[in-house]
Amino acid sequence: AQSVTQLDSHVSVSEGTPVLLRCNYSSSYSPSLFWYVQHPNKGLQLLLKYTSAATLVKGINGFEAEFKKSETSFHLTKPSAHMSDAAEYFCVVGDNDYKLSFGAGTTVTVRA
Amino acid sequence: GAVVSQHPSWVICKSGTSVKIECRSLDFQATTMFWYRQFPKQSLMLMATSNEGSKATYEQGVEKDKFLINHASLTLSTLTVTSAHPEDSSFYICSARSPGDSYEQYFGPGTRLTVT
Repeated sequence: AQSVTQLDSHVSVSEGTPVLLRCNYSSSYSPSLFWYVQHPNKGLQLLLKYTSAATLVKGINGFEAEFKKSETSFHLTKPSAHMSDAAEYFCVVGDNDYKLSFGAGTTVTVRA
Repeated sequence: GAVVSQHPSWVICKSGTSVKIECRSLDFQATTMFWYRQFPKQSLMLMATSNEGSKATYEQGVEKDKFLINHASLTLSTLTVTSAHPEDSSFYICSARSPGDSYEQYFGPGTRLTVT
């Protein structure tokens, strides 16, 4: 079975500084990987996805992630955090039968 | 873009009663839908996979007689929590698999169930 590990449960950054959310995956084959964001009391929103095309994936709202097979990582970055980026972020891997396995989540807080 | 709705968004019910949650794909047909449960400050846990016209497949540890899933059409799946108890209080989220050969899922906004 595929799985993901989010290495940080909580990340705090100052507005305007870079954001890095770390994710490692476990997969026996080339995985499909996703980052989703969940704002308080709102539904999940897809930030970006990797499906074996370009290893550097650009998403919405200035986020991007790089697939590194040698490191089994799919870290999410943003050059400059905005207050509206405060939310819960989930790294997700596609599992058998088109199921998704979610990481534990990383809570991002942005300081003014 | 693909939109998935859920109804109701919030429901309060008394212990022992049953409650039905609807999940609809509004602008596409979904042969496969999924139901997740999310406890406060925690991640999403897959409960079951709902396939149109066939029985749902449940994840290990999920009581199929308690969480009844019906996927009678290509745009509607329902989750019925039977004989609800306070420990069933949670955030229930559905998703619909993207058409085509893709792992991508479109998520509904979720339903918050509170059992008193």
